Amino acid sequence: GNSVTQMEGPVTLSEEAFLTINCTYTATGYPSLFWYVQYPGEGLQLLLKATKADDKGSNKGFEATYRKETTSFHLEKGSVQVSDSAVYFCALKGAAGGTSYGKLTFGQGTILTVHP
Amino acid sequence: GAGVSQSPRYKVAKRGQDVALRCDPISGHVSLFWYQQALGQGPEFLTYFQNEAQLDKSGLPSDRFFAERPEGSVSTLKIQRTQQEDSAVYLCASSKQTGDNSPLHFGNGTRLTVT
Repeated sequence: GNSVTQMEGPVTLSEEAFLTINCTYTATGYPSLFWYVQYPGEGLQLLLKATKADDKGSNKGFEATYRKETTSFHLEKGSVQVSDSAVYFCALKGAAGGTSYGKLTFGQGTILTVHP
Repeated sequence: GAGVSQSPRYKVAKRGQDVALRCDPISGHVSLFWYQQALGQGPEFLTYFQNEAQLDKSGLPSDRFFAERPEGSVSTLKIQRTQQEDSAVYLCASSKQTGDNSPLHFGNGTRLTVT
């Protein structure tokens, strides 16, 4: 079945530091890949997505590239801010058709804390 | 409303009690999902509705869990004879369709604590 593995957390950085959160996946076919973010006290929000190999998703300064050869979708940001402190989830949606119904499979989440 | 609404926000139940969790999806959204998120873990799929039809309930952990969406809008997740291992945040999400171009919108969840 489908699975997603994220780097162990938590991650603690100083403001303006470079961020990488690793994500690898196992899936049949050609899944779509996502990063969701959960700010304190709020629901899950879509941060970015990529639907095919070599696509780059980007939003709010965050980027992730769909690498089929390494089955990875690592999240990066060049200069983090205190306001980026949140829990980040990597997720995949199974290939269209079959019985996936568009359901998401999530990684375990990575807690990011950014200090001033 | 503008987003997916879940109620109650918090629920404390004594072991053995039945609970009902409500989800109001975004108006007009066809697809509705329920997820269970244990502490420190990512959400795990429970069940999926397309309008009023429950097309996938493969993630429901036991027959104590039951979900319905009788009119294709509001959904209720019911847990009978709650156990401590049921303690988790229950998330509801909806989308217009199931295609890749239709993003999932999540509610803030219901945090269930079974004592």
